Amino acid sequence: AQSVSQHNHHVILSEAASLELGCNYSYGGTVNLFWYVQYPGQHLQLLLKYFSGDPLVKGIKGFEAEFIKSKFSFNLRKPSVQWSDTAEYFCAVNEGGATNKLIFGTGTLLAVQP
Amino acid sequence: EPEVTQTPSHQVTQMGQEVILRCVPISNHLYFYWYRQILGQKVEFLVSFYNNEISEKSEIFDDQFSVERPDGSNFTLKIRSTKLEDSAMYFCASRADTDTQYFGPGTRLTVL
Repeated sequence: AQSVSQHNHHVILSEAASLELGCNYSYGGTVNLFWYVQYPGQHLQLLLKYFSGDPLVKGIKGFEAEFIKSKFSFNLRKPSVQWSDTAEYFCAVNEGGATNKLIFGTGTLLAVQP
Repeated sequence: EPEVTQTPSHQVTQMGQEVILRCVPISNHLYFYWYRQILGQKVEFLVSFYNNEISEKSEIFDDQFSVERPDGSNFTLKIRSTKLEDSAMYFCASRADTDTQYFGPGTRLTVL
């Protein structure tokens, strides 16, 4: 069965620091990869996604992620975080097909200090 | 921009009672989902729905759960006899033919 691991459960950064959140998945076949963000009191929003092609994908708000197939990883990065990036970040995968159910990681709570 | 909406935002119920959680997916979407997130745990898939029938369900989605699309716009999740462990945030999601699911704001269910 597929699983997704996010090793950083809670990250605290100062504004302007660089961010990298780890995501590893276990599945040998073709997967689609996603990062969702949940701002305080709001719903899950799509940050970026990878289906195929260039393994470096750019999303909204200056975020990017790199798919490294050999490492089964899809780490999220941002060169300079802002206080408004304080949120919970979820990595998710699906294998496509009929249902496209998402398998989520446990989430990483990011707190950015001004 | 169209959004998935959910009502109510918070539902409190007594153990053993039935609850219905409501979702209005994005209007041209064809695939519908329910997920839940127990406090402090990961978001878990419950069920997917397409063409007026369940296409996949998880082990969590037992006989106490059911889904329905009664009128072409709403998508509901019913829990027949709630248990304490059903307390969670329930998220509805929908998608068109692409692989991107769009989530609603969630309903926080508290079972006392």
